[in-house]
Amino acid sequence: GQQLNQSPQSMFIQEGEDVSMNCTSSSIFNTWLWYKQDPGEGPVLLIALYKAGELTSNGRLTAQFGITRKDSFLNISASIPSDVGIYFCAGRRGQLTFGSGTQLTVLP
Amino acid sequence: EAGVAQSPRYKIIEKRQSVAFWCNPISGHATLYWYQQILGQGPKLLIQFQNNGVVDDSQLPKDRFSAERLKGVDSTLKIQPAKLEDSAVYLCASSQSTSDSHYQPQHFGDGTRLSIL
Repeated sequence: GQQLNQSPQSMFIQEGEDVSMNCTSSSIFNTWLWYKQDPGEGPVLLIALYKAGELTSNGRLTAQFGITRKDSFLNISASIPSDVGIYFCAGRRGQLTFGSGTQLTVLP
Repeated sequence: EAGVAQSPRYKIIEKRQSVAFWCNPISGHATLYWYQQILGQGPKLLIQFQNNGVVDDSQLPKDRFSAERLKGVDSTLKIQPAKLEDSAVYLCASSQSTSDSHYQPQHFGDGTRLSIL
């Protein structure tokens, strides 16, 4: 099956710092998505990317669809306490395949 | 716009018992998905419906799991009999009618947390 390697597995950062996380795969995907999941809740869509090379922003979040279609990254600028949570990448080729998540902790 | 509704929020059962989960998608969303999310992992697709028809159930353990969406709106997922490894959060998601060439992002409910004793 299709596998996504998401890194890092966890991050501890100071409030105000920038954050970067990424997903790689040996498979090509047609769409990349980034979700955030808070405890006890379902994943919430942050950014959807539809074309190779596409760079999209949503407030302090920026994500890119890798030119090879096998990777994507998510950047968060000037982190704040409410950024705490688990971030998942998901690649689509037919169905969605999710990464294993990046647990983000923001220290005051 | 109301989100995807799921119930119950929590369920605790003993192994070999049966359990059912219910999902009400966002109004007008033709596509409905059930995912299993084991602790520490990302969601894994179990089954996808388009209206009341099954699009993909290749990862559904059909010897014990079943799902239906009889009227093309609400859906139920059943496990019978449950095993210890079924302990997970079961997430329902919905989207507008989607195809491989025109993808509509999925919106998730808050899930049902199932514990098997």
